Amino acid sequence: GQQLNQSPQSMFIQEGEDVSMNCTSSSIFNTWLWYKQDPGEGPVLLIALYKAGELTSNGRLTAQFGITRKDSFLNISASIPSDVGIYFCAGFSGNTGKLIFGQGTTLQVKP
Amino acid sequence: EPEVTQTPSHQVTQMGQEVILRCVPISNHLYFYWYRQILGQKVEFLVSFYNNEISEKSEIFDDQFSVERPDGSNFTLKIRSTKLEDSAMYFCASRLGVGQSYEQYFGPGTRLTVT
Repeated sequence: GQQLNQSPQSMFIQEGEDVSMNCTSSSIFNTWLWYKQDPGEGPVLLIALYKAGELTSNGRLTAQFGITRKDSFLNISASIPSDVGIYFCAGFSGNTGKLIFGQGTTLQVKP
Repeated sequence: EPEVTQTPSHQVTQMGQEVILRCVPISNHLYFYWYRQILGQKVEFLVSFYNNEISEKSEIFDDQFSVERPDGSNFTLKIRSTKLEDSAMYFCASRLGVGQSYEQYFGPGTRLTVT
């Protein structure tokens, strides 16, 4: 089946640093979504990408939809302690809209 | 801001018992989903629901699982005879579904513990 591979698996950075994580797939997706999950809570939508090559920002977050439609990356600039959490990419599949999730990137920020 | 709500937040049940997990999707949304997340793993699709019927289900969603929209606001997931391996976080999500709106919004989840 379709699978998404996220890297890195985890990151430990200093407050103020920029962060980059990416997601790749062997299949084409028409929509990419990025979510953040805090412990014990549900995923919270950060950014949605609809067109190949599209670059979209949400505050300090920037995400891009790869030209091949098989990858996406998420950048976080000037990280702060509340950025801590697990970041998931998700690809939108088929007509019913089920999401295929990556395995997540765990981000830890040292104050 | 409208949000997806889920109850209960935590459900403990004995193996073989039936459980019903409840969700109230965002009011004007048309597509509804259940996902599950085993501790420390990725989120996995279970089922999608549109126009009062299942539109797609995964291999996980076997005959022990069922979904229902009993009224205009609630969306439920029933597990008829729980197994130990059903222990997980269960998330409900909804999507507007109009035009280019593919964004899914998730509830806070129900932690199901089967003993």
